[in-house]
Amino acid sequence: DQQVKQNSPSLSVQEGRISILNCDYTNSMFDYFLWYKKYPAEGPTFLISISSIKDKNEDGRFTVFLNKSAKHLSLHIVPSQPGDSAVYFCAASASEFGNEKLTFGTGTRLTIIP
Amino acid sequence: KAGVTQTPRYLIKTRGQQVTLSCSPISGHRSVSWYQQTPGQGLQFLFEYFSETQRNKGNFPGRFSGRQFSNSRSEMNVSTLELGDSALYLCASMLAGAVTQYFGPGTRLTVL
Repeated sequence: DQQVKQNSPSLSVQEGRISILNCDYTNSMFDYFLWYKKYPAEGPTFLISISSIKDKNEDGRFTVFLNKSAKHLSLHIVPSQPGDSAVYFCAASASEFGNEKLTFGTGTRLTIIP
Repeated sequence: KAGVTQTPRYLIKTRGQQVTLSCSPISGHRSVSWYQQTPGQGLQFLFEYFSETQRNKGNFPGRFSGRQFSNSRSEMNVSTLELGDSALYLCASMLAGAVTQYFGPGTRLTVL
């Protein structure tokens, strides 16, 4: 049972344009969401997070939007740069279960075309 | 501050053997979690240790075990290796009371 879903395995975006990565979840107990970026042969690198009490969080070129009623979150990268090419994972946790237990999506491979 | 370190980075074992992986968390982080990454399943939570105690556990068989030492360093052990255990094993550390985990580079385990 995949509680966190990233339905697009891959995405290609022109350099300078906006990249939008999507994530859906099924467990309404999740109250904290994170995005990680992963390059080959490296561990995931934390990008940005959002608590369920907010609907938007911004950090430089990265913005995460949360729609609790739809159980949907998205990561916007503006403008997209070649160095953004990587696999992006969405993750969720629940205070009830322990925030140390992250449930991950299967990832979206983002390719930025120069 | 140094990041999370994992040793070894690569390991090749044969079926039936056992293996021990090591993780040193970021200084000051007392929570250490372990994840398995496979192409088909993504990242799956194995277990988490805090102050030498296992606080949370994922849905993995008992062949997967771990421990944490007083200096917060953690080890993960897999006994009676199976071909399906081939994966990237990732360790993450977190400050007490925080919600953001920071990952190490992983140990790539290949079981032949």
